[in-house]
Amino acid sequence: DVQMTQSPSSLSASVGDRVTITCQASQDIITYLNWYQQKPGKAPKLLISAASNLESGVPPRFSGSGSGTFFTFTINGLQTEDSATYYCQRFDDLPRVTFGGGTKVEIK
Amino acid sequence: QVQLVQSETVVRKPGASVKVSCKTSGYSFTGYYIHWVRQAPGQGLEWMAWFNPDSGRAFYAQGFHGRITMTGDTSITTAYMELSGLTSDDTATYFCARDSGTNSRLDPWGQGTLVTVSS
Repeated sequence: DVQMTQSPSSLSASVGDRVTITCQASQDIITYLNWYQQKPGKAPKLLISAASNLESGVPPRFSGSGSGTFFTFTINGLQTEDSATYYCQRFDDLPRVTFGGGTKVEIK
Repeated sequence: QVQLVQSETVVRKPGASVKVSCKTSGYSFTGYYIHWVRQAPGQGLEWMAWFNPDSGRAFYAQGFHGRITMTGDTSITTAYMELSGLTSDDTATYFCARDSGTNSRLDPWGQGTLVTVSS
């Protein structure tokens, strides 16, 4: 089964900072990767699909890139409302789904 | 708009079963898969299964084989997840989510159902 390694598990940054989260797959998953944001007590929210496609209504400070086994998720200009946990999600054609372990983003 | 509304918080004893419902609205129920994802307290997301409301077919993650059953009622556009043989490790919030049909984009999600397993 494909394993997803997400890092770091947590980070603390200041408003306006650039934040980068990575997700590594144990085998080639092409661009079959989505990113979600989850705030405490809430359901996850889809931000980016197919590695780099920004979902409608999602602020452009969020972006994603990568293919194959290595992917990055970036927040350019961190805002206070971005305090949340972020997850990568891998999928395949079946579909089978696997989530990364999550990255908790805190505001300094 | 597309909405998924789940059943309320439940408490079950070890060894019991639980059935969580996911009432959908705002789209064609049989046109999209429903996924189930759970989250233990303070932990990450764990994918459990998907259910195809059109065919009634389901696919389960390896760790749930034999304990999980997915069903649906097209007359009331509702999907169900039943988990048996509960242990304290099954204490979690259970989410349903619609698969958009492209790139397994899970959107939107239900609000979550907290299942507590305690004697």
